[in-house]
Amino acid sequence: GQQVMQIPQYQHVQEGEDFTTYCNSSTTLSNIQWYKQRPGGHPVFLIQLVKSGEVKKQKRLTFQFGEAKKNSSLHITATQTTDVGTYFCAGRTGNQFYFGTGTSLTVIP
Amino acid sequence: DADVTQTPRNRITKTGKRIMLECSQTKGHDRMYWYRQDPGLGLRLIYYSFDVKDINKGEISDGYSVSRQAQAKFSLSLESAIPNQTALYFCATTRTGGTEAFFGQGTRLTVV
Repeated sequence: GQQVMQIPQYQHVQEGEDFTTYCNSSTTLSNIQWYKQRPGGHPVFLIQLVKSGEVKKQKRLTFQFGEAKKNSSLHITATQTTDVGTYFCAGRTGNQFYFGTGTSLTVIP
Repeated sequence: DADVTQTPRNRITKTGKRIMLECSQTKGHDRMYWYRQDPGLGLRLIYYSFDVKDINKGEISDGYSVSRQAQAKFSLSLESAIPNQTALYFCATTRTGGTEAFFGQGTRLTVV
């Protein structure tokens, strides 16, 4: 069954507001990746986190990996309409990546 | 040209028909994957292959089969399609020891 859960499933924000999606695994992960899928598109890799407690930033995006390596978050500061899409985490256990259920972000201009 | 190419992009088929989805890649990666995407369920792994002679079942392999014809080609077959196999299917590749997965453009399959 699904090992990686994401919340929320949907999020609508006004442009300029912040957005956060959370990813939780039932098992300890070797690493975690984040992907973005634009409407009608395919998932595109954003970043990988490996170390316990790791924090990485890409412009307005901040990614965190939990101390226990079972959870992760993606935070977007001051959303823009270009941030629209579905954000997936993918946690690695053994040789497989298990994708989260995804968070669909809508940004209202 | 896309590095990971899926054909067809869209397909409507009838219940009980056999259908094959094809994936080819020019990235030179060893590892290839097939996922299906359903609303609210994310991406679920169907099958994966780490090299030409290696085939492994994923989370939801029942009703599907695959063939790794060459390093660059990985096909997914539905032997007898059923309506609940209606979904968006993605092929992906990774390099052994690599980090990111590269996805194809997807195949939207509808079984009526």
